[in-house]
Amino acid sequence: EAGVAQSPRYKIIEKRQSVAFWCNPISGHATLYWYQQILGQGPKLLIQFQNNGVVDDSQLPKDRFSAERLKGVDSTLKIQPAKLEDSAVYLCASRYGQGSSYEQYFGPGTRLTVT
Amino acid sequence: GENVEQHPSTLSVQEGDSAVIKCTYSDSASNYFPWYKQELGKRPQLIIDIRSNVGEKKDQRIAVTLNKTAKHFSLHITETQPEDSAVYFCASPTGGGNKLTFGTGTQLKVEL
Repeated sequence: EAGVAQSPRYKIIEKRQSVAFWCNPISGHATLYWYQQILGQGPKLLIQFQNNGVVDDSQLPKDRFSAERLKGVDSTLKIQPAKLEDSAVYLCASRYGQGSSYEQYFGPGTRLTVT
Repeated sequence: GENVEQHPSTLSVQEGDSAVIKCTYSDSASNYFPWYKQELGKRPQLIIDIRSNVGEKKDQRIAVTLNKTAKHFSLHITETQPEDSAVYFCASPTGGGNKLTFGTGTQLKVEL
């Protein structure tokens, strides 16, 4: 079974620039999450999708962050404009979303450095 | 929202010793408690989880215990090995289990 794929793996940009991350979840997983993990901290949920609809984006800084999952499969997360404090690893995770299975499977992450 | 506290933040043990990491949660409706292991530069990986209908679950050298009354759960690693060195995160669900709130992590170092 293929895992969650993310790209790029690394990105370095200057502040005020824009950046986009891509995630391809495990086939058949209806639920997709984007997390931000700052160095030394646990993952923090930014947004949760169920198929192509947003379930929870309460912790997404909507003035600069946006995300979409148009066809209910792949997802993109965008930051525009980036700030220094956005430097972090951005993790995508997916979950089957049906029945009693709660397990989330994480992708390798995108390490963003904002200079 | 859910609040998850994790202790200790760092833990150093000698190879072969046991390690215990504890988490407390605030939402009494939480019913699923996973533990993730994250090696340096890698993705978090689920190592064990427990549902609220049991008090303990064991998988080889790893076990998780749950005390719903006190709202805490713990990860126990026995006979630690150098490859157990990593950051361990607990998590507790909100939203009916649909989303997780993670603890702050424990850096475990197993010394030879």
